[in-house]
Amino acid sequence: EVQLVQSGGVVVQPGGSLRLSCEASGFTFDDYTMHWVRQAPGKGLEWVSLINWDVINTYYADSVKGRFTISRDNSKNSLYLQMNSLRTEDTALYYCARHKSPYSGDDAFDIWGQGTMVTVSS
Amino acid sequence: EIVLTQSPGTLSLSPGERATLSCRASQSVSSSFLAWYQQKPGQAPRLLIYAASSRATGIPDRFSGSGSGTDFTLTISRLEPEDFAVYYCQQYGNAPNSFGQGTKLEIK
Repeated sequence: EVQLVQSGGVVVQPGGSLRLSCEASGFTFDDYTMHWVRQAPGKGLEWVSLINWDVINTYYADSVKGRFTISRDNSKNSLYLQMNSLRTEDTALYYCARHKSPYSGDDAFDIWGQGTMVTVSS
Repeated sequence: EIVLTQSPGTLSLSPGERATLSCRASQSVSSSFLAWYQQKPGQAPRLLIYAASSRATGIPDRFSGSGSGTDFTLTISRLEPEDFAVYYCQQYGNAPNSFGQGTKLEIK
Protein backbone atom coordinates (compact mmCIF):
# COMPACT_ATOMS: atom_id res chain seq x y z
CA GLU A 1 0.00 0.00 0.00
CA VAL A 2 1.25 3.47 -0.91
CA GLN A 3 1.34 5.53 2.26
CA LEU A 4 3.04 8.26 4.26
CA VAL A 5 3.22 7.78 8.03
CA GLN A 6 4.06 10.74 10.23
CA SER A 7 5.46 11.04 13.73
CA GLY A 8 3.25 11.86 16.70
CA GLY A 9 2.07 15.25 17.92
CA VAL A 10 4.00 17.42 20.33
CA VAL A 11 3.81 20.54 22.46
CA VAL A 12 6.77 22.92 22.39
CA GLN A 13 7.45 26.31 23.95
CA PRO A 14 7.80 29.48 21.88
CA GLY A 15 11.39 29.81 20.65
CA GLY A 16 11.86 26.04 20.79
CA SER A 17 12.80 23.53 18.11
CA LEU A 18 11.28 20.38 16.74
CA ARG A 19 11.88 17.90 13.91
CA LEU A 20 8.94 16.30 12.12
CA SER A 21 9.33 13.06 10.22
CA CYS A 22 7.36 11.35 7.48
CA GLU A 23 8.13 7.78 6.40
CA ALA A 24 7.12 6.56 2.96
CA SER A 25 6.25 3.04 1.90
CA GLY A 26 4.79 1.28 -1.11
CA PHE A 27 6.55 3.42 -3.75
CA THR A 28 10.03 4.46 -4.88
CA PHE A 29 10.52 7.42 -2.55
CA ASP A 30 13.67 8.64 -4.38
CA ASP A 31 11.64 9.44 -7.50
CA TYR A 32 9.18 11.91 -5.99
CA THR A 33 9.23 15.56 -4.98
CA MET A 34 7.82 15.95 -1.46
CA HIS A 35 6.07 18.78 0.37
CA TRP A 36 4.99 19.94 3.80
CA VAL A 37 1.58 21.61 4.13
CA ARG A 38 0.07 22.90 7.37
CA GLN A 39 -3.40 23.67 8.65
CA ALA A 40 -4.01 25.85 11.70
CA PRO A 41 -6.95 24.78 13.88
CA GLY A 42 -10.20 25.52 12.06
CA LYS A 43 -8.38 27.14 9.15
CA GLY A 44 -7.43 26.34 5.56
CA LEU A 45 -4.37 24.75 4.00
CA GLU A 46 -1.05 26.57 3.81
CA TRP A 47 1.87 25.31 1.74
CA VAL A 48 5.10 25.30 3.77
CA SER A 49 8.02 23.78 1.87
CA LEU A 50 9.13 21.41 -0.87
CA ILE A 51 12.19 19.34 -1.70
CA ASN A 52 12.78 18.00 -5.20
CA TRP A 53 13.23 14.32 -5.86
CA ASP A 54 16.88 14.96 -6.72
CA VAL A 55 17.44 16.87 -3.43
CA ILE A 56 19.01 19.73 -5.39
CA ASN A 57 16.29 22.27 -4.78
CA THR A 58 14.30 23.29 -1.72
CA TYR A 59 11.72 26.06 -1.39
CA TYR A 60 9.94 27.68 1.54
CA ALA A 61 6.95 29.87 2.26
CA ASP A 62 7.96 33.35 3.39
CA SER A 63 6.32 32.68 6.77
CA VAL A 64 8.88 29.97 7.62
CA LYS A 65 11.93 30.97 5.57
CA GLY A 66 15.07 31.08 7.67
CA ARG A 67 13.46 29.12 10.51
CA PHE A 68 12.44 25.80 8.93
CA THR A 69 14.61 23.37 6.97
CA ILE A 70 13.29 20.56 4.80
CA SER A 71 15.42 17.48 4.15
CA ARG A 72 15.12 13.88 3.08
CA ASP A 73 17.03 10.63 3.59
CA ASN A 74 16.28 8.48 0.57
CA SER A 75 18.07 5.50 2.17
CA LYS A 76 15.45 5.59 4.93
CA ASN A 77 12.49 6.58 2.72
CA SER A 78 12.01 9.53 5.03
CA LEU A 79 11.18 13.22 4.81
CA TYR A 80 11.94 15.70 7.59
CA LEU A 81 11.08 19.22 8.65
CA GLN A 82 13.42 20.88 11.14
CA MET A 83 11.51 23.69 12.83
CA ASN A 84 13.47 26.30 14.81
CA SER A 85 12.50 29.54 16.56
CA LEU A 86 8.92 28.34 16.80
CA ARG A 87 6.14 30.89 17.26
CA THR A 88 2.59 30.50 18.54
CA GLU A 89 1.37 31.12 14.98
CA ASP A 90 3.17 27.93 13.88
CA THR A 91 0.58 25.91 15.81
CA ALA A 92 -1.00 23.66 13.20
CA LEU A 93 -1.51 20.17 11.86
CA TYR A 94 1.45 19.48 9.58
CA TYR A 95 0.99 17.16 6.60
CA CYS A 96 3.60 15.66 4.35
CA ALA A 97 2.46 15.10 0.77
CA ARG A 98 3.76 13.57 -2.46
CA HIS A 99 3.74 14.78 -6.04
CA LYS A 100 1.35 12.77 -8.19
CA SER A 101 3.99 11.79 -10.77
CA PRO A 102 7.68 10.85 -10.44
CA TYR A 103 10.33 13.28 -11.63
CA SER A 104 7.69 15.99 -12.10
CA GLY A 105 8.48 19.69 -11.77
CA ASP A 106 5.03 21.07 -11.03
CA ASP A 107 2.36 18.71 -9.84
CA ALA A 108 -0.65 18.15 -7.60
CA PHE A 109 -0.38 16.16 -4.35
CA ASP A 110 -1.92 12.70 -4.50
CA ILE A 111 -0.70 11.00 -1.31
CA TRP A 112 -0.87 12.70 2.09
CA GLY A 113 0.29 11.67 5.53
CA GLN A 114 -2.13 11.55 8.44
CA GLY A 115 -0.77 14.77 9.91
CA THR A 116 1.26 15.71 12.99
CA MET A 117 -0.20 18.23 15.41
CA VAL A 118 2.34 20.81 16.56
CA THR A 119 1.28 23.05 19.43
CA VAL A 120 3.50 26.01 20.30
CA SER A 121 2.52 27.23 23.73
CA SER A 122 4.05 28.27 27.00
CA GLU B 1 2.31 34.97 -5.05
CA ILE B 2 -0.98 33.98 -6.67
CA VAL B 3 -3.98 34.47 -4.38
CA LEU B 4 -6.89 32.08 -4.92
CA THR B 5 -10.38 33.21 -3.90
CA GLN B 6 -13.06 30.55 -3.58
CA SER B 7 -16.78 31.19 -3.65
CA PRO B 8 -19.15 30.76 -2.07
CA GLY B 9 -17.72 30.33 1.43
CA THR B 10 -20.54 27.95 2.29
CA LEU B 11 -22.90 26.15 -0.07
CA SER B 12 -26.07 24.53 1.28
CA LEU B 13 -27.59 21.90 -0.99
CA SER B 14 -29.52 18.64 -0.80
CA PRO B 15 -28.42 15.17 -1.95
CA GLY B 16 -29.15 14.74 -5.65
CA GLU B 17 -28.62 18.41 -6.46
CA ARG B 18 -25.83 19.88 -8.57
CA ALA B 19 -22.99 21.78 -6.89
CA THR B 20 -20.88 24.44 -8.58
CA LEU B 21 -17.80 25.73 -6.75
CA SER B 22 -15.68 28.61 -8.03
CA CYS B 23 -11.98 29.40 -7.71
CA ARG B 24 -10.62 32.69 -9.02
CA ALA B 25 -6.91 33.46 -9.26
CA SER B 26 -5.30 36.89 -8.84
CA GLN B 27 -3.26 36.21 -12.00
CA SER B 28 -3.24 33.60 -14.72
CA VAL B 29 -2.40 30.09 -13.54
CA SER B 30 0.46 28.69 -15.58
CA SER B 31 -0.46 25.75 -17.83
CA SER B 32 -3.78 25.37 -15.99
CA PHE B 33 -1.92 23.77 -13.10
CA LEU B 34 -4.98 23.93 -10.87
CA ALA B 35 -6.10 21.14 -8.53
CA TRP B 36 -9.14 20.50 -6.35
CA TYR B 37 -9.11 18.64 -3.03
CA GLN B 38 -11.83 17.35 -0.73
CA GLN B 39 -11.31 17.33 3.02
CA LYS B 40 -13.59 15.70 5.59
CA PRO B 41 -13.31 16.32 9.36
CA GLY B 42 -10.32 14.58 10.89
CA GLN B 43 -8.96 13.48 7.51
CA ALA B 44 -6.16 14.57 5.22
CA PRO B 45 -7.14 16.25 1.96
CA ARG B 46 -7.92 13.97 -1.00
CA LEU B 47 -6.97 14.89 -4.57
CA LEU B 48 -10.01 15.05 -6.84
CA ILE B 49 -8.95 17.00 -9.94
CA TYR B 50 -5.56 18.02 -11.35
CA ALA B 51 -4.57 20.07 -14.39
CA ALA B 52 -7.92 21.84 -14.07
CA SER B 53 -10.01 19.04 -15.56
CA SER B 54 -8.37 15.62 -15.10
CA ARG B 55 -9.88 13.30 -12.51
CA ALA B 56 -7.50 11.65 -10.09
CA THR B 57 -7.42 7.88 -9.74
CA GLY B 58 -10.58 6.44 -8.26
CA ILE B 59 -12.59 9.67 -8.32
CA PRO B 60 -16.22 9.18 -9.46
CA ASP B 61 -17.23 10.81 -12.73
CA ARG B 62 -19.84 12.98 -11.00
CA PHE B 63 -16.84 15.22 -10.15
CA SER B 64 -15.62 17.41 -13.00
CA GLY B 65 -13.34 20.41 -13.30
CA SER B 66 -13.16 23.16 -15.89
CA GLY B 67 -11.63 26.54 -16.55
CA SER B 68 -8.39 28.20 -17.53
CA GLY B 69 -6.48 31.40 -16.96
CA THR B 70 -7.92 32.91 -13.79
CA ASP B 71 -11.34 31.25 -13.49
CA PHE B 72 -11.88 27.62 -12.53
CA THR B 73 -14.91 25.57 -11.52
CA LEU B 74 -15.50 22.28 -9.72
CA THR B 75 -18.87 20.71 -10.50
CA ILE B 76 -20.47 17.80 -8.68
CA SER B 77 -23.29 16.65 -10.92
CA ARG B 78 -25.47 14.83 -8.37
CA LEU B 79 -24.55 15.14 -4.73
CA GLU B 80 -24.15 11.97 -2.70
CA PRO B 81 -24.26 12.06 1.14
CA GLU B 82 -20.50 11.45 1.29
CA ASP B 83 -19.76 14.56 -0.82
CA PHE B 84 -20.54 17.00 1.96
CA ALA B 85 -17.14 18.29 3.01
CA VAL B 86 -14.76 21.23 2.54
CA TYR B 87 -13.24 21.74 -0.91
CA TYR B 88 -9.97 23.54 -1.66
CA CYS B 89 -8.45 24.66 -4.92
CA GLN B 90 -4.67 24.85 -5.32
CA GLN B 91 -2.44 26.32 -7.99
CA TYR B 92 0.92 24.64 -8.47
CA GLY B 93 2.17 26.28 -11.66
CA ASN B 94 3.61 29.42 -10.09
CA ALA B 95 5.93 29.37 -7.10
CA PRO B 96 4.99 29.36 -4.33
CA ASN B 97 2.14 26.86 -4.37
CA SER B 98 -1.03 28.38 -2.94
CA PHE B 99 -4.43 27.20 -1.78
CA GLY B 100 -7.82 28.88 -1.73
CA GLN B 101 -9.53 29.46 1.60
CA GLY B 102 -12.03 26.65 1.01
CA THR B 103 -15.73 26.17 0.30
CA LYS B 104 -17.79 24.24 2.83
CA LEU B 105 -20.46 22.13 1.17
CA GLU B 106 -23.16 21.41 3.74
CA ILE B 107 -26.42 19.52 3.75
CA LYS B 108 -29.47 21.74 3.42
